Amino acid sequence: DAMVIQNPRYQVTQFGKPVTLSCSQTLNHNVMYWYQQKSSQAPKLLFHYYDKDFNNEADTPDNFQSRRPNTSFCFLDIRSPGLGDAAMYLCATSPGISKSSYNEQFFGPGTRLTVL
Amino acid sequence: AQSVTQPDIHITVSEGASLELRCNYSYGATPYLFWYVQSPGQGLQLLLKYFSGDTLVQGIKGFEAEFKRSQSSFNLRKPSVHWSDAAEYFCAVVGNDYKLSFGAGTTVTVRA
Repeated sequence: DAMVIQNPRYQVTQFGKPVTLSCSQTLNHNVMYWYQQKSSQAPKLLFHYYDKDFNNEADTPDNFQSRRPNTSFCFLDIRSPGLGDAAMYLCATSPGISKSSYNEQFFGPGTRLTVL
Repeated sequence: AQSVTQPDIHITVSEGASLELRCNYSYGATPYLFWYVQSPGQGLQLLLKYFSGDTLVQGIKGFEAEFKRSQSSFNLRKPSVHWSDAAEYFCAVVGNDYKLSFGAGTTVTVRA
């Protein structure tokens, strides 16, 4: 089945130690998104790629970076995680061909990040 | 900018009873509306979507939603709830910026 895969599902890191979260997709979608979701809150968009074009949200901290080396993979790098960065990180994709397909997003299962 | 309000933070319903989750949106033009469900520790799954046409939309898992432009609402319903429907439900709208704006979510608890 075509899908969005996130690895690892659970990640524990230490305060200030860089961490990378991975997302891959077999849907061949143009757009890939990263969301941060804290407990009992709605997902918050961090950034997205349309193909290779990177689009950062204005309020995304500089501590968060992303890479998309090819269509299938997208990475979220947290350069110096703080305790406030503990959250669920969701990757999503969408076809991006038209407005309707642009925002019919398909989500991965998420990576739960714990910062010690 | 577009926004979504989900007035109910938490709803408890008995198994077999009906369920209705409220969603109100704010957007000047014709909205694209979605309902997503999130089980504990999982990602979001699309239940249904409205782009245009018939205002009563059928989704997966026996859910439906009705778009009412006059009330700026897109309420989600299910006639008979199953224990597996316990989850968090998010309403979302797309605006001109092509981004999803989520409501704060409604947590559904199902009691036996």
